[in-house]
Amino acid sequence: KAGVTQTPRYLIKTRGQQVTLSCSPISGHRSVSWYQQTPGQGLQFLFEYFSETQRNKGNFPGRFSGRQFSNSRSEMNVSTLELGDSALYLCASSLGGHPSTDTQYFGPGTRLTVL
Amino acid sequence: AQTVTQSQPEMSVQEAETVTLSCTYDTSESDYYLFWYKQPPSRQMILVIRQEAYKQQNATENRFSVNFQKAAKSFSLKISDSQLGDAAMYFCAYRSAYGGATNKLIFGTGTLLAVQP
Repeated sequence: KAGVTQTPRYLIKTRGQQVTLSCSPISGHRSVSWYQQTPGQGLQFLFEYFSETQRNKGNFPGRFSGRQFSNSRSEMNVSTLELGDSALYLCASSLGGHPSTDTQYFGPGTRLTVL
Repeated sequence: AQTVTQSQPEMSVQEAETVTLSCTYDTSESDYYLFWYKQPPSRQMILVIRQEAYKQQNATENRFSVNFQKAAKSFSLKISDSQLGDAAMYFCAYRSAYGGATNKLIFGTGTLLAVQP
């Protein structure tokens, strides 16, 4: 089975621009979660989608948004980019079942640099 | 709100030796899940081991085992017979069992493990 894929792997943007990141989950997985990883703040939960519905959201401003399509692929969008948005953005997919057995599989991440 | 603390930013171990990584957490919940994730230099994070709070028995996965002390809110990871491939950043993570179905993980700041040949 192919793993979680994220595109693009690297991205350079300037302040004020917007960006869209894509995540393709493992086949059959219905849950996709997004995390932001920075040296200063560590790993922080952005949001989770399950069957095209957002079922949890972290403490990020409204500039961060996401969506999930019927094939479970997910995108996250960041508008009006700020320097502090520079980070590694990770997505993770899982079947979305009971947490005692449900395992999240992470993608390689998208490295976003804001200049 | 729940928090996860990893007090060892870096650790080093000799190949074939044993090393223990520490993790403490704070929560008022009685039911939850704890995880150790490994992030090798290639950045793809993988699950090492999970522990369910209501299970007293410590989880074990091959060379990896945990020491789960619920009353002390401590969750350490022991790596036995360390191998060069174990070198990575290790994250401790918490997941609530309440609030509906959610995959939200709360991570610690990580421990960078170096394995010396």
